[in-house]
Amino acid sequence: AIRMTQSPSSLSASTGDRVTITCRASQGISSYLAWYQQKPGKAPKLLIYAASTLQSGVPSRFSGSGSGTDFTLTISCLQSEDFATYYCQQYYSYFKTFGQGTKVEIK
Amino acid sequence: QVQLQESGPGLVKPSGTLSLTCAVSGGSISSSNWWSWVRQPPGKGLEWIGEIYHSGSTNYNPSLKSRVTISVDKSKNQFSLKLSSVTAADTAVYYCARFYLGELSTTDAFDIWGQGTMVTVSS
Repeated sequence: AIRMTQSPSSLSASTGDRVTITCRASQGISSYLAWYQQKPGKAPKLLIYAASTLQSGVPSRFSGSGSGTDFTLTISCLQSEDFATYYCQQYYSYFKTFGQGTKVEIK
Repeated sequence: QVQLQESGPGLVKPSGTLSLTCAVSGGSISSSNWWSWVRQPPGKGLEWIGEIYHSGSTNYNPSLKSRVTISVDKSKNQFSLKLSSVTAADTAVYYCARFYLGELSTTDAFDIWGQGTMVTVSS
């Protein structure tokens, strides 16, 4: 299985901050990577696919980058509605795997 | 637009079989997408269980493969999950999701999710 490791596991930030979350794959996955946002009691929401393509309707303050084994999700100017848990997910393999999640909390 | 809705018992006895159904509305299950199940134990992360194509082809998480069956009912536009020999470790919110197949394989993703259903394994 391809292991996805996110860092940090949690972070505290203030509204307006720039936030970066890192995801590392245990083997090269090209650009077969997606990012999801999940709020408590809700289903995950697709933010980014193909490592850097913004899903329709997602604010432009979200961006993704990377290829191979190292990827990042950046929120350029954190808004109150962005406090949530974020997951990366690889689909290079039919056996899809998620990172453990990064919880973004209010400082 | 396509919507997914999970249904099934919220309580299953240990050693029993968990059975859930996901109804697809606003679109056809015979579209060129994979239909998946993902679960999330309380306070934990997401785990992919498996997927099915409308042709009946399936892929499963190797760690669950011996206990999982995913099936499709095109006449009812729905797909189902069966997980046998359940234990407390199978207690989780179970989501059905569409794995959208883009024009390029890199543009695939879980783009539509059901609201999730909590299943507790307990006697």
